[in-house]
Amino acid sequence: GENVEQHPSTLSVQEGDSAVIKCTYSDSASNYFPWYKQELGKRPQLIIDIRSNVGEKKDQRIAVTLNKTAKHFSLHITETQPEDSAVYFCAAKRNFGNEKLTFGTGTRLTIIP
Amino acid sequence: GAGVSQTPSNKVTEKGKYVELRCDPISGHTALYWYRQSLGQGPEFLIYFQGTGAADDSGLPNDRFFAVRPEGSVSTLKIQRTERGDSAVYLCASSGSGANTDTQYFGPGTRLTVL
Repeated sequence: GENVEQHPSTLSVQEGDSAVIKCTYSDSASNYFPWYKQELGKRPQLIIDIRSNVGEKKDQRIAVTLNKTAKHFSLHITETQPEDSAVYFCAAKRNFGNEKLTFGTGTRLTIIP
Repeated sequence: GAGVSQTPSNKVTEKGKYVELRCDPISGHTALYWYRQSLGQGPEFLIYFQGTGAADDSGLPNDRFFAVRPEGSVSTLKIQRTERGDSAVYLCASSGSGANTDTQYFGPGTRLTVL
């Protein structure tokens, strides 16, 4: 089955600096890669996703890159703000359409004011 | 519109008891997923439904866990003879049909504590 590894487990950055979180996956058939943000005691919320036919996607301060050959994908947050502090999870899924997600173990991001 | 809802938000039970956790998906979403999240971990897949049928139940840890979705909307996760190791947040998610079936929207979860 799919295995998703995520690094680092914790990350602290100064407000205004950039943060990068990296994930690798094992199943070459995976083709959908979402990123979720989870604040303490709250539900996971999708912040950005990427499909295998795209190498990079950007949404304001957030971007995701995908390297299918190396089987890794990364989340980039620029101009970080205190409200970016949360736990971030990457995930991977096979097939387009309804299918289970396999999650990484999460990265606790702390933005230092 | 309304998001995914789950009840109860918290459930405390004693070892050996039976519990039911409920999920109301986003209206019209055909797929419904159950995940379990232990402290400090990512969600782990349990089961997913396409309509009324379980399309993949490979994540259910043992036969004490069972889930139903009789009318293709609301789903109930049932846990028999609860054990302390079942303590976790149980998350439900749903996804739609048509152009964007990939995105899964999560509910707030049910925090289950087995004493």
